[in-house]
Amino acid sequence: DTAVSQTPKYLVTQMGNDKSIKCEQNLGHDTMYWYKQDSKKFLKIMFSYNNKELIINETVPNRFSPKSPDKAHLNLHINSLELGDSAVYFCASSRTLGGSYNEQFFGPGTRLTVL
Amino acid sequence: RKEVEQDPGPFNVPEGATVAFNCTYSNSASQSFFWYRQDCRKEPKLLMSVYSSGNEDGRFTAQLNRASQYISLLIRDSKLSDSATYLCVVTPRGSTLGRLYFGRGTQLTVWP
Repeated sequence: DTAVSQTPKYLVTQMGNDKSIKCEQNLGHDTMYWYKQDSKKFLKIMFSYNNKELIINETVPNRFSPKSPDKAHLNLHINSLELGDSAVYFCASSRTLGGSYNEQFFGPGTRLTVL
Repeated sequence: RKEVEQDPGPFNVPEGATVAFNCTYSNSASQSFFWYRQDCRKEPKLLMSVYSSGNEDGRFTAQLNRASQYISLLIRDSKLSDSATYLCVVTPRGSTLGRLYFGRGTQLTVWP
């Protein structure tokens, strides 16, 4: 009965490779997010989709491309991985009601290590 | 200047102690305020929202001071299970739906 799930949980790869992280939520939420938590533990939003439409696109390199095939899924593809991409990536989801904020539920995170 | 500033700690307290965390936010037009909890190597989870009049949830009390732009979290009768990182979270007024700004978190360790 996992609410927000991510795969893989751990990802170790070489510089220059391309990788994807998948996220799925079964909560019926209409908004999904990608966050990055770096080694200093700052949690920073990268992207947000509402009903499959991109609504938040923070200043991240073009190498990062989110894709939302439907409201329950938000994937993150990263091209040409760099050492600085090493971090924990969290997916989250929430329900919007009348434009107001509602609690965000986070997935377990994907720990990416670029060698 | 970061949107949300927190003392990273760590705070090390014995069981039963009372501990308080503060955080400050830079945008005076901020609208919504929260405390999230993050256990080691786990995802953040909402602990409680923070209301203007202050609010309590069991052993946890949250306060908001808009004039000074700070938020506090008080934990009474600390338990071992309270050991975690506590994240102060703010949503600016008029921000894009769902945009949250997180502090770097305050680490709490409760020892027996």
